[in-house]
Amino acid sequence: KAGVTQTPRYLIKTRGQQVTLSCSPISGHRSVSWYQQTPGQGLQFLFEYFSETQRNKGNFPGRFSGRQFSNSRSEMNVSTLELGDSALYLCASSLGRVIYEQYFGPGTRLTVT
Amino acid sequence: AQKITQTQPGMFVQEKEAVTLDCTYDTSDPSYGLFWYKQPSSGEMIFLIYQGSYDQQNATEGRYSLNFQKARKSANLVISASQLGDSAMYFCAMREGATGEANSKLTFGKGITLSVRP
Repeated sequence: KAGVTQTPRYLIKTRGQQVTLSCSPISGHRSVSWYQQTPGQGLQFLFEYFSETQRNKGNFPGRFSGRQFSNSRSEMNVSTLELGDSALYLCASSLGRVIYEQYFGPGTRLTVT
Repeated sequence: AQKITQTQPGMFVQEKEAVTLDCTYDTSDPSYGLFWYKQPSSGEMIFLIYQGSYDQQNATEGRYSLNFQKARKSANLVISASQLGDSAMYFCAMREGATGEANSKLTFGKGITLSVRP
């Protein structure tokens, strides 16, 4: 069974630009969550999508948005990039109902210059 | 207040020995789940073990076991027979709310670095 995949793995952007990250969950999983990991703040929850609907949202500004498609694939978008957005962005998938496990992808490392 | 606390500095263990990584948590929700993840230098978060708040027995998964002390709100990870490949960052995380409810959000601790010495 294929794991969670994230593309791209590495990305370099300039301040003010926007970026879109993609996550494909494990087959059959309907929930996709996004996390931001930085050395200073650690791992922070961004949002979660289940059946194409945002189900939970963390404390991030509106520049961070996401969506989920009918095949459960999810995208995360960050507009007007700031230097502080440099981070490892991790996505996790789970079945979405009875949640015993969440499986993470390898992450996308975003560098904003 | 921090919901997940991991205060140990970098931990060192000799290969083949057991090691305990500490985690305390804070929640007023009677239903919650506790997770441990391993993050090697490659960055991927690897799921290790899960403990539900109503589980009667401590969770075990191969060389990993979770020492769950509900009254003390602690969920320590025990790794038996350490291997060189166990060197990584370890994160404790919590999900509040009963399983089946609409909540996949995990709250993570700051993590503990484990180094296994040959």
